[in-house]
Amino acid sequence: EIVLTQSPGTLSLSPGERATLSCRASQSVSSSYLAWYQQKPGQAPRLLIYGASSRAAGIPDRFSGSGSGTDFTLTISRLEPEDFAVYYCQQYGSSRLTFGQGTRLDIK
Amino acid sequence: EVQLVESGGGLVQPGGSLRLSCAASGFTFSTYAMSWVRQGPRKGLEWVSAISGGGTTTYYADSVKGRFSISRDNSKNTLSLEMNSLRAEDTALYYCAKTRWAYCSGGSCYGPYFDDWGQGTLVTVSS
Repeated sequence: EIVLTQSPGTLSLSPGERATLSCRASQSVSSSYLAWYQQKPGQAPRLLIYGASSRAAGIPDRFSGSGSGTDFTLTISRLEPEDFAVYYCQQYGSSRLTFGQGTRLDIK
Repeated sequence: EVQLVESGGGLVQPGGSLRLSCAASGFTFSTYAMSWVRQGPRKGLEWVSAISGGGTTTYYADSVKGRFSISRDNSKNTLSLEMNSLRAEDTALYYCAKTRWAYCSGGSCYGPYFDDWGQGTLVTVSS
């Protein structure tokens, strides 16, 4: 099973700043089959990025994904108030798909 | 607009059974695979099961294989999850999710990810 480790656990930033979230895999993720989700309190996760770098429908272009192999990054170029949430990565390149434990993005 | 509304959660004793349902609207239900994904207090997000658009192929996580059964009724745009022999570790919020695949080959598909989610239904397994 591929273990995904997200860092940092909590990131405290101000609106307008740039956020960089990391997702590291214990083994190489096949064909960059990695997704990112956003979850706000009391809501379901929302797909942001799939295939490591493709934005899902309706996702603003301030969200971008990059990386390959074992190291992946979600970048939010300029934080908006609605971006403060928990972010999860998910790999779907192996027979047992797995999620990371999440990074909480807090308002500083 | 895609809408997924889960129901059927509740409190059940260990060893008991429960049937979850998900009513779908806003998209052509029969053309999409669907999944159940749960979010528990200890394990976080965990994929549980998936079913092909036509309902002919099903997929299960090892943790629920032999205990859970996924099905769908495309005439009613509904997805179901029959859960038997429930354990404390099955306690979670269960989401219904519209599913995409990394690729398909030889009649099976691999690598699900989830582009729309319902709000979830809570299952608590406790005596």
